[in-house]
Amino acid sequence: DAKTTQPNSMESNEEEPVHLPCNHSTISGTDYIHWYRQLPSQGPEYVIHGLTSNVNNRMASLAIAEDRKSSTLILHRATLRDAAVYYCILGGATNKLIFGTGTLLAVQP
Amino acid sequence: SAVISQKPSRDICQRGTSLTIQCQVDSQVTMMFWYRQQPGQSLTLIATANQGSEATYESGFVIDKFPISRPNLTFSTLTVSNMSPEDSSIYLCSVEVVGHGEQFFGPGTRLTVL
Repeated sequence: DAKTTQPNSMESNEEEPVHLPCNHSTISGTDYIHWYRQLPSQGPEYVIHGLTSNVNNRMASLAIAEDRKSSTLILHRATLRDAAVYYCILGGATNKLIFGTGTLLAVQP
Repeated sequence: SAVISQKPSRDICQRGTSLTIQCQVDSQVTMMFWYRQQPGQSLTLIATANQGSEATYESGFVIDKFPISRPNLTFSTLTVSNMSPEDSSIYLCSVEVVGHGEQFFGPGTRLTVL
C-alpha cells in the first residue's frame, strides 16, 4: 500500500482557512486520495475524496497536484468543532483504508 | 449514509477470557472491516469481514486470536480471544455502502483487559 506523509500537528484560528498538506509520492494511477477525520472520542468520519481533479463538498475542498504526488485539504472557515486528527489515505482497488499517523489540528478561538 | 451500532460500547475483562463484539448496520453494505485503535495511536486494520466465507486478515493478525463472522450483509462479529492487557484498545467496525465512495465507522467498543 502506498504511503502518505503529513505534518504531526497544525494550529489554526477560528473562522480562518486551514490548508492541511499531504505528500504521497508513490501514489499509483488508480489510487484515490481519501481524507477522514477523527474527533475526540469518536470513530473516524469521511471528509472528502478524489482521483485527479479538485473536489468540493459541504465540508471541505480537496486540491490535488497535477502530478498527484501531493494534495491539500482545505477547510474554508475553521470552527472549534473542526479540531480533530485528519488522515490522508490512499485507497486502491481493495477498498481497504490504511491509516497513517495523521495531522492533529488545533483550532484557537 | 449508514448508521452503525456496536455492542458492547465498553467492557472490562479478565486476562485469559474472550469477548465478542457485534457490529450492526442499517443498510446493505458491500464491505465490512474491523480496526483496532490502541491508546494514543492511529487505527490499524485487523481484517476484512467477508460474507459467507473466512475473513481476510492483515499482517500480524490471525484467525485464532481474532475470529470474525459475517453471516449476512448487515451484521458482523469480532471475537478477541484469550485476552491479555495488550489487547486493551478501541475496536471499530466500518462499512462501505453500495454506490458510495466512503466508509462509515461505528462508535467503537472500548475494551480494557485486567
